Amino acid sequence: SQKIEQNSEALNIQEGKTATLTCNYTNYSPAYLQWYRQDPGRGPVFLLLIRENEKEKRKERLKVTFDTTLKQSLFHITASQPADSATYLCALDMRGSQGNLIFGKGTKLSVKP
Amino acid sequence: NAGVTQTPKFRVLKTGQSMTLLCAQDMNHEYMYWYRQDPGMGLRLIHYSVGEGTTAKGEVPDGYNVSRLKKQNFLLGLESAAPSQTSVYFCASSSILHSPLHFGNGTRLTVT
Repeated sequence: SQKIEQNSEALNIQEGKTATLTCNYTNYSPAYLQWYRQDPGRGPVFLLLIRENEKEKRKERLKVTFDTTLKQSLFHITASQPADSATYLCALDMRGSQGNLIFGKGTKLSVKP
Repeated sequence: NAGVTQTPKFRVLKTGQSMTLLCAQDMNHEYMYWYRQDPGMGLRLIHYSVGEGTTAKGEVPDGYNVSRLKKQNFLLGLESAAPSQTSVYFCASSSILHSPLHFGNGTRLTVT
């Protein structure tokens, strides 16, 4: 069955630096991969979606890459701010083939001033 | 613009009691989902619906039932609650097959 791993449970960085979060998966490459942000006591909020034929996607300070050969997605936050502190979830969109959106366990990012 | 609304926000049940969690969305979305989130386990899909009147099992459906009688509502029922069902439950909706999910803010359920 499809497995997904977000390499770090927690990541601590200094304000202004670039945060890089990793998402690895096994088996099938999904047609789509999504990233969400979750704050304590709240539901996940969608950030970015990348398709298998796209190498990179950007939105303001956020950048996502998708390498189907390595079976990996990287999520970057440039010029990080304390307000970026949250848990970030990677999700493989297997809907239509495996029937499900499979979420990673998340990486908790802390940005220190 | 409410988005996805879940009720109740918190609930404590005794083992064997039943309850229904309500999810309502005002975005006219076709797809609706129920997830549970447990520490160290991530989000796991319980049941989902691809349209009014349809439901399907997800990864962890045992002990739960669902109904989608109206397009905007998706109900999750626990017929006989067990301590293993202590969790945070999230409802989500999406417009078309590969579109992003919109989540509610969850129901924290404790079963004693």
